[in-house]
Amino acid sequence: QVQLQESGPGLVKPSETLSLTCAVSGASIRSYTWSWIRQPAGKGLEWIGRVYTSGSTNYNPSLKTRVTLSTDPSKNQLSLKLTSVTAADTAVYYCARDREARDAFEIWGQGTMVSVSS
Amino acid sequence: DIQMTQSPSSVSASVGDRVTITCRASQGLSTWLAWYQQKPGKAPNLLIYGASNLQSGAPSRFSGSGSGTDFSLTITNLQPEDFATYYCQQANNFPFTFGGGTKVEI
Repeated sequence: QVQLQESGPGLVKPSETLSLTCAVSGASIRSYTWSWIRQPAGKGLEWIGRVYTSGSTNYNPSLKTRVTLSTDPSKNQLSLKLTSVTAADTAVYYCARDREARDAFEIWGQGTMVSVSS
Repeated sequence: DIQMTQSPSSVSASVGDRVTITCRASQGLSTWLAWYQQKPGKAPNLLIYGASNLQSGAPSRFSGSGSGTDFSLTITNLQPEDFATYYCQQANNFPFTFGGGTKVEI
């Protein structure tokens, strides 16, 4: 059974860097494509970006200058870094496994809430 | 970016009802369209991919149709556990984008 578990600080100060990890069990991160998605409270979903098995990435242009996605195969985990955060970055952050056809997100983590506040 | 417009934003229904949610894209998607169900405090759950393909484990009362710019998700014989918010998502172009959601409530 594939499971994804996001973790990171629940509170980040404005202008600082948000760092999250996603621990994957039941599947090798080397074998799939992975995405990050976020959701502000009471609002819709925003795709942040995708990381491929090669380590290459695609980012949402709205975040491209601030976001970095990467993988650590030795730990079988993903990571997200978002720099210069503001209150607008307050959201639940999800990691998800893409379908092999890369046409949908088939397995999601439970999400981790991140608040940006001084 | 491709804009995804869902309607209605909310719908009131009863157990046993048939409910249809529509999603319109600002550009053609072929069939690169997925549907998700989300319950409060939970992550979204994939129901339909490729516009009309039922994800493994999703109940057969869920069905999807459409291609190009117009898509729909239909729930037949609505069950109590189906009261949730539903989102469409396009995977045709980067950045992937979601509809605004449709809340199915009693």
